[in-house]
Order: sequence, then structure tokens, then C-alpha cells
Amino acid sequence: KNEVEQSPQNLTAQEGEFITINCSYSVGISALHWLQQHPGGGIVSLFMLSSGKKKHGRLIATINIQEKHSSLHITASHPRDSAVYICAVRNIGGGADGLTFGKGTHLIIQP
Amino acid sequence: EAQVTQNPRYLITVTGKKLTVTCSQNMNHEYMSWYRQDPGLGLRQIYYSMNVEVTDKGDVPEGYKVSRKEKRNFPLILESPSPNQTSLYFCASSPGIQGYVLSFGQGTRLTVV
Repeated sequence: KNEVEQSPQNLTAQEGEFITINCSYSVGISALHWLQQHPGGGIVSLFMLSSGKKKHGRLIATINIQEKHSSLHITASHPRDSAVYICAVRNIGGGADGLTFGKGTHLIIQP
Repeated sequence: EAQVTQNPRYLITVTGKKLTVTCSQNMNHEYMSWYRQDPGLGLRQIYYSMNVEVTDKGDVPEGYKVSRKEKRNFPLILESPSPNQTSLYFCASSPGIQGYVLSFGQGTRLTVV
């Protein structure tokens, strides 16, 4: 079973700062997902990637398959970015393997 | 609007009283899944379904049942709820299992007393 580790667990930053959240996993994967969970509880998918880099607005996600590592970056952070960010990986292999989730990074952006 | 709808959003029940949490999606997705989220443990998969009449266990299936009689619906059944099933539950769907982002429901906060 894949082990997914996120760092940091908690992060408080000032508005405008560049934010990096890291995700490492132990076993080869077919895809990695980044999710955002707001204080109200709802979960939104931000990115799914299997290689390289993706960008959406101020959010950038990268993955290094060889190093088994992904990062989520937020540029020009804003208080509305305050949320829990969750990394999830889907294992390679036959059958319908489920996702393995990290425990999340709790991000607070202060005005 | 494309969405995954869970009901109820909040539920307090007593030990042993059977309950069903409904999940419905209007996107014609083949893959549907249930997760529970607990503090310090993150999201864990309970059951998933690749298509109609095809379901399989996730990581924590004990105490739960599911069915997939129609493509759009994937109810989660707790035949005899216990306090350790108090949790936040999410249903999710996607067009397939590989290569797609998940769409999540709003969550159901269940308390079993």
C-alpha cells in the first residue's frame, strides 16, 4: 500500500506570500490528485497529474515521478486560499485500486 | 448544473438504527466511491463502484453496504450503526477510474450516539 506524506501539516502565512505544499509517496503511481477542502467541509479537485506541471490561475502543481514527489504552489496568496490541501495518489497496477490520501496541509493566509 | 448530491447533510442517529445516505450524480459518470474522513486519519475509501452492478471494497468496508442499481445512484447503507462510524462522509464520482478528476458531494456529517 502506498504511503503518502504531506508537509507541512500546518502553515500560516501572510497575504501575498508564495506558498509551497509538498507530497511524497512510496510506491509508483499512475496519477496524483490535489484537492482543496474549505472550512465548510466541501472538497474540490484542483489538479490531476501524472507528469510535469499544471497551472490554473495562481495555483501550480508539479510532479517528479522519479523522486516520487509533488508540490503545490500558490502565488500571491490570499485569505480565501485558506483551506486544507490534500494530496491523493492512485497506484499503478491491475484492478480497480482506490486512492490513497495524505492527511492534508492546513493552510491559513492572514490579511 | 453538474453535481454530486448527498443527503442528508447532517444526521444524528442512535446505535443500531439502520440508515441510508444517498448519493446521486447527474454527469453519467461510471465510477463512484464513498469515503470517510476522520481527524488525524484523513480520507479513507469505504466502497467503490466501476459501473452498474459492480462494487468493490475499499480500505474500511466493515459495517457498510452499498448498491449500484442505477448509474446515477450509489447509496451507502449502515445496517447497524455504531459510535465508531461517527464521521464525515463523502461521495465522489468520475467518468472512469484512471485519468479523471473526482467530483465530490457536499459531505454528510453523521453522529451515532
